[in-house]
Amino acid sequence: KQEVTQIPAALSVPEGENLVLNCSFTDSAIYNLQWFRQDPGKGLTSLLLIQSSQREQTSGRLNASLDKSSGRSTLYIAASQPGDSATYLCAVAAQGGSEKLVFGKGTKLTVNP
Amino acid sequence: DAGITQSPRHKVTETGTPVTLRCHQTENHRYMYWYRQDPGHGLRLIHYSYGVKDTDKGEVSDGYSVSRSKTEDFLLTLESATSSQTSVYFCAISPDDSYEQYFGPGTRLTVT
Repeated sequence: KQEVTQIPAALSVPEGENLVLNCSFTDSAIYNLQWFRQDPGKGLTSLLLIQSSQREQTSGRLNASLDKSSGRSTLYIAASQPGDSATYLCAVAAQGGSEKLVFGKGTKLTVNP
Repeated sequence: DAGITQSPRHKVTETGTPVTLRCHQTENHRYMYWYRQDPGHGLRLIHYSYGVKDTDKGEVSDGYSVSRSKTEDFLLTLESATSSQTSVYFCAISPDDSYEQYFGPGTRLTVT
């Protein structure tokens, strides 16, 4: 059974800092990996989708990498801003069940002005 | 934003009553999903649909049923609500090319 872990559960950084959020998964036979952002009381917003054949994806100040063999993904946020404060979730879709996602419990990020 | 709406957005109901939550999409995507989100458990899949009248169970399907009679609508029914079903329920959709999932705003359900 696929398990997804995100460490740390919470992270607090000063504004302007570059930071890395971590995601690990137990079964490397994945179809894709997706990073989401969730603001308090809101739904999830898709940030980046990495297909299993890709190593990384970039969108603005965000860069997500994928290393299937080690079962790891990282989300890099450059020059963090207070508006980046949110919970970040990663989720993986398994090969053969690619329509279903297994989620980590998230990292709650606080960026202090 | 993906065209997904959920109704109602908030509901308080009593134990033993039936409850139906609605998810509506305007994207004509094939896949639709229902998740629940609880502190300490994260997001868990309840049921999903891969087409009209085609549904399957997820990780936590006991006590829930679903129906999809039209591409745009996916209904989640709690036949007899229990306090353990107090949660925030999210609907999601995805196309069948990328499988990238897009989420609705959620429904907060309280069972007293």
